[in-house]
Amino acid sequence: DTEVTQTPKHLVMGMTNKKSLKCEQHMGHRAMYWYKQKAKKPPELMFVYSYEKLSINESVPSRFSPECPNSSLLNLHLHALQPEDSALYLCASSPILRTGELFFGEGSRLTVL
Amino acid sequence: KQEVTQIPAALSVPEGENLVLNCSFTDSAIYNLQWFRQDPGKGLTSLLLIQSSQREQTSGRLNASLDKSSGRSTLYIAASQPGDSATYLCAVRPGTGGFKTIFGAGTRLFVKA
Repeated sequence: DTEVTQTPKHLVMGMTNKKSLKCEQHMGHRAMYWYKQKAKKPPELMFVYSYEKLSINESVPSRFSPECPNSSLLNLHLHALQPEDSALYLCASSPILRTGELFFGEGSRLTVL
Repeated sequence: KQEVTQIPAALSVPEGENLVLNCSFTDSAIYNLQWFRQDPGKGLTSLLLIQSSQREQTSGRLNASLDKSSGRSTLYIAASQPGDSATYLCAVRPGTGGFKTIFGAGTRLFVKA
C-alpha cells in the first residue's frame, strides 16, 4: 500500500471558522509533511514531522497549527484564515526525513470566503 | 543555495512523439532526484526516483537520467499518448544544508490526439 489519504477533498470555510485537514499513511513512514500549492506553482513546504516531532516550520502563520497524534496521522488545524490562504493543501510522507521517496496524497482543496 | 530549473515551461506535441523534459540543479550535492506527474487539481504522483549513486531509472515508457556533475536530469517519454498530458515536476533532495526538498516549477505537457 503506497497511499497517502487526505480528507476532506474539498473544504469551504469562512474567516471565523475552525476546521481541520487530515492525512493518513500506513507505509510505516516516519516523516510526514504539509505543503501548500497555489495554481501553476510548485508545492511550498509548510511543516515537517519526523518521528512525531515537529522538525521544520517554514515560518507559517499561527492560524495554521499542525499536529501529529501518532506515526500514521497528521492533522492541520485551521483558524481565522484569510482568503489568500485558499489553495491546494498536500500531505506527503517518506521513510525518513532526509532520504527516500516522497509520496503525496491527492490534496485538500481549501476555499476561504 | 540549491535552485532547480525546468525547461521548457510548456510543451505541446502530437500523439506518438518521443519527448524529453529537462531539469537542472545548481548544487551537485544531492541525495536523490524525483520526477512527479500532477494532473490539474490533483496531488503529485511519483514517477521515478534516482538515487545520487545511480545514472538512470526506467519504468514502462519513462526513462529518467541523472548527471550530477553537470547538474542535469532528463525525463524521456516514449511514444507519447494524450493520457500523458499533465504537469511534470522534478524535485531534488539536498545532500547538505537542510532537509527541504527543492521543486522545479514544472513543465506543462499537452499531447494532441
